[in-house]
Amino acid sequence: AQSVAQPEDQVNVAEGNPLTVKCTYSVSGNPYLFWYVQYPNRGLQFLLKYITGDNLVKGSYGFEAEFNKSQTSFHLKKPSALVSDSALYFCAVRDGGATNKLIFGTGTLLAVQP
Amino acid sequence: DSGVTQTPKHLITATGQRVTLRCSPRSGDLSVYWYQQSLDQGLQFLIQYYNGEERAKGNILERFSAQQFPDLHSELNLSSLELGDSALYFCASSVVEGTYNEQFFGPGTRLTVL
Repeated sequence: AQSVAQPEDQVNVAEGNPLTVKCTYSVSGNPYLFWYVQYPNRGLQFLLKYITGDNLVKGSYGFEAEFNKSQTSFHLKKPSALVSDSALYFCAVRDGGATNKLIFGTGTLLAVQP
Repeated sequence: DSGVTQTPKHLITATGQRVTLRCSPRSGDLSVYWYQQSLDQGLQFLIQYYNGEERAKGNILERFSAQQFPDLHSELNLSSLELGDSALYFCASSVVEGTYNEQFFGPGTRLTVL
């Protein structure tokens, strides 16, 4: 079965510093990976996805993610964190078969201190 | 704004009652997904519809049912409600099934069962 793991419940970073939110995956076949962000009292917003091709994927709001097949990881990164980036971040993997349903990780709360 | 709308935003009801949650997908999207977000279970896939037909089922209780109408809006029916059904229910949509397109999420319906 497809799954993703987010090993950190919370990540703290100072504004202006680089940030990394970790995600590892376990899939049979090719991995199709996604990052979503959830702001308080809001729905999930799509940030980026990896389907195939370049291992460095660029997304919305200055975020990027690095796909590493040997380490089965898909870490979310940003060179310079903003206070407004503080939110809950979810890594997800597309389930196999004809459906496009997503399997989500447990989420990582990113707190950016001014 | 993702283009996916959900009503109502909040719903407070009592145990044993029945409620209906409504979702309108983005214009042109044929696939609708329902997810449940709770503190203990995280984000879990419930059910998917594509152009009016059920496509996939996840961890959906027998007390829950859904359908997608000819105008593509979808309804999630929750009956014999229990305290543990209190959660945030999200609807998402995507263009087609079986592809690698991202899903766009609505703002959610927060259900509180007292």
